Amino acid sequence: EPEVTQTPSHQVTQMGQEVILRCVPISNHLYFYWYRQILGQKVEFLVSFYNNEISEKSEIFDDQFSVERPDGSNFTLKIRSTKLEDSAMYFCASTRDANTEAFFGQGTRLTVV
Amino acid sequence: DQQVKQNSPSLSVQEGRISILNCDYTNSMFDYFLWYKKYPAEGPTFLISISSIKDKNEDGRFTVFLNKSAKHLSLHIVPSQPGDSAVYFCAASGGGSQGNLIFGKGTKLSVKP
Repeated sequence: EPEVTQTPSHQVTQMGQEVILRCVPISNHLYFYWYRQILGQKVEFLVSFYNNEISEKSEIFDDQFSVERPDGSNFTLKIRSTKLEDSAMYFCASTRDANTEAFFGQGTRLTVV
Repeated sequence: DQQVKQNSPSLSVQEGRISILNCDYTNSMFDYFLWYKKYPAEGPTFLISISSIKDKNEDGRFTVFLNKSAKHLSLHIVPSQPGDSAVYFCAASGGGSQGNLIFGKGTKLSVKP
């Protein structure tokens, strides 16, 4: 069964450093998303991406965040200058079209020290 | 501002009995509702969904009921099995891409043998 894959599974970084989280969405999916879950809290929407541009973003997704689809398969989330409060599980998701359920990856645990 | 609320943080059920997980929402623009199951250290896994034009959707042991007038939905699992033990998230979206999901805080279901 096709699945969304994320790398790395765990990333530790120093405060102020840049990180790039990587995702390979399901191959025939057209819509891509990033979510995060801070420990003990709910899963929160960050950004959606379609047709090589951001279609919607939450207030969490500030100027420190950016997304890119550098080639036909990868979808990345970059945090330019990490803060302690960026520590969370980051989930990538994709949907085939605008009206189908989202499939999630296993997540990347980001720890900012 | 919680647009999707799961007021029970946990639920314990005996194997073979029915599990009922509840979810309330406040945004009348939501038109698509989903339930996800999540194990520790894994991404959310899609379970079942319902469109706002329906009031019931069934898939095997899982049934989702939607009461639009009460802005309430529930997930019924019958019979419950120990393998169903996980955190269950209710999610909703409105218009546009169904991947821009607003999640509830989750309910931890424990099914005891």
